[in-house]
Amino acid sequence: EIVMTQSPATLSVSPGERATLSCRASQSVSSNLAWYQQNPGQAPRLLIYRASTTATGIPARFRGSGSGTEFTLTISSLQSEDFAVYYCQQYNSWPLTFGGGTKVEIK
Amino acid sequence: QLLESGGSLVQPGGSVRLSCAASGFTFSSYAMTWVRQAPGKGLEWVSGITGSGGVTYYADSVKGRFTISRDNSKNTLYLQMNSLRADDTAVYYCGKGNVGYYMDVWGKGTTVIVSS
Repeated sequence: EIVMTQSPATLSVSPGERATLSCRASQSVSSNLAWYQQNPGQAPRLLIYRASTTATGIPARFRGSGSGTEFTLTISSLQSEDFAVYYCQQYNSWPLTFGGGTKVEIK
Repeated sequence: QLLESGGSLVQPGGSVRLSCAASGFTFSSYAMTWVRQAPGKGLEWVSGITGSGGVTYYADSVKGRFTISRDNSKNTLYLQMNSLRADDTAVYYCGKGNVGYYMDVWGKGTTVIVSS
C-alpha cells in the first residue's frame, strides 16, 4: 500500500496570502495524483488531477505541481472560501490512498 | 448527480445496504467508488468497481465483509455491508471515477452508525 503523507497538518494563512501544501508518496505514483477540497459538513470537491491539471470550474489560483513522490498544491491569494481541509489522493495503484489532510485556517 | 441513501443506525454484527443513484452522465461508462469518513477523521477509500461491473476492488479493512455492485439498467451503485463493526461508523460517499480512478463527482454522503 502506498502511504500518502501531507504536511503541514494545519496551515495558518492570512486572506490574500499564498498557501503551499505538500504531499509525499512512499513510492512513486508518477503523475497519478489528485487534490480535493472539503469544507465542513460537505463532500470533497475535486481541484486537481494528473498532478497539475485543474478540474472544471476551479479558479486559476489553485495550482498543482510535482511528480513521482513529491507534490505541491499552491493557492495564491487565499479567498474566504478557500479556508478548508485539503486532501491528496494517489490513483497509481490499488488500494487507492489518501493523505491525512491539511487544514488551512485563517491567521 | 449522485445521491446516496440507505445509511442507518445498526448494531455490531449487523448488515446494511447503501445505494447511490446517478444521473446526468452515462453511468455504465464510468468506474464508481465508495469513500468513507469517520467522525473527525480523514478520507478512506473503501471500494471501487469498473463500469461494466466485471472487476471490483476493496480496502483490506472491508475485504470479505463488504460487497460493491452496480445495476447499470438502474444507474445505481450499491455497497452491501455485513459483519459491521464500530469502526465502520462513518459518512459514506459515492464517487464517479474518472480515468485512473480520481473522483470528479461526489455525492453528499449517507451516514452509517454502528452501535448497540
